[in-house]
Order: sequence, then C-alpha cells, then structure tokens
Amino acid sequence: KQEVTQIPAALSVPEGENLVLNCSFTDSAIYNLQWFRQDPGKGLTSLLLIQSSQREQTSGRLNASLDKSSGRSTLYIAASQPGDSATYLCAATRSYNTDKLIFGTGTRLQVFP
Amino acid sequence: DAGVIQSPRHEVTEMGQEVTLRCKPISGHNSLFWYRQTMMRGLELLIYFNNNVPIDDSGMPEDRFSAKMPNASFSTLKIQPSEPRDSAVYFCASSSDSGTGELFFGEGSRLTVL
Repeated sequence: KQEVTQIPAALSVPEGENLVLNCSFTDSAIYNLQWFRQDPGKGLTSLLLIQSSQREQTSGRLNASLDKSSGRSTLYIAASQPGDSATYLCAATRSYNTDKLIFGTGTRLQVFP
Repeated sequence: DAGVIQSPRHEVTEMGQEVTLRCKPISGHNSLFWYRQTMMRGLELLIYFNNNVPIDDSGMPEDRFSAKMPNASFSTLKIQPSEPRDSAVYFCASSSDSGTGELFFGEGSRLTVL
C-alpha cells in the first residue's frame, strides 16, 4: 500500500530564502508524482508533474525532482516571496495514469517579509 | 477552459438531511475523482470513475454515501442521511487518459452538518 509522507509539516522563512520541501513514498512503482499548492479555503492547483521516466521538472522559480530508487521527491523554491505562502502537497499515482493519487499531509509554508 | 466546476460552494444542513454535491469535469477528461478533506485526515479519495464507470469506491465511508456519473459531463455525490462527522470540504477532480495524468481540482464544496 502506497504511503506518502511530507516533512516538515510546517515551515516559516524570511523572504528571499531558497527552500526545499520533502516528499517520501513507500512504493517506487509510481506512474507520476505531482506537486500541488493549496491556498486557505481554496482548491488545489497543480504546480509540477514528474513522470516516472523523468528526474525533474522546472517551472519558473520551482524545481521538482524525483528519485524513485530512494522513494523521494523534493520541491525547490528559489528566492521565496510572501505570495508563496500556502500549503504544498505531493501526491503519487500507482502504475497507470488514471489511477488514484495518494496524497501526503502537506507542508504549510509561511514566507514573511 | 472553465476548469472543474463544483456546486454548491457552501452547504449548511441539519443532521439527517440529504445532501447532493455536483461536479462538472473539464470537457474531454474521462477520469473523475471525488476527494474529502478534513483537518484530521487530510485528503482522502472517496471514489473515482473512468469513462463514467466507477473503478474504485473503496474509500466511500459507508452506505450513506453514493456517487453517480450518468454522463461524461456530470457527477453527483450524495449523502443520505447526513451526520455531523460528514462535515468537510469535498473536492472533485478530473484528468485525461490521453495526457500525463495531471489532475485538475475544483474549488470544493464546504459541507457543514449541524
């Protein structure tokens, strides 16, 4: 059974810092891994998707990496801004693309000016 | 594209009443997922459909919950009778078989059962 864990649960950093959010999964037979952002009272917004054949994806100041052998993914946020404050969730699918996502519990990020 | 559309956005009801939540997936997407989010349990998958057929409903908590997808553009999640412990935010999401599996979420329906 796939289990997804995110560390830390909460993070508070000053503006401008580069930071790393961690995601661990127990079953390496994943199809893809997605990172989402959730603002309070809102739905989830997809940030990056890494397919199992890929090692990383980049979008602007965000970079996500995937290491299936160690069961880890990291989300790197460069030059953090107060607008980055949100909860970040990672989620993994099993063996095919329409299978269900298993979510981690999220990292609540606060970036202060 | 309008994205995944859910209604109602907020629902307050009394214990024992029937609740129906609605979802319109992104046009062309053929997989639809219902999730529930609470502070205690995080995001839990309740049920998902592929090409309008329920594939996995193992997350549906009990018989009081039922979901239907009568066509490719509409799904409902029904709770009858509702209980206070059903209070949560219910999300609908959709994805496409022909894509990468990227999941797109609606804004959610916040349910409060008194």
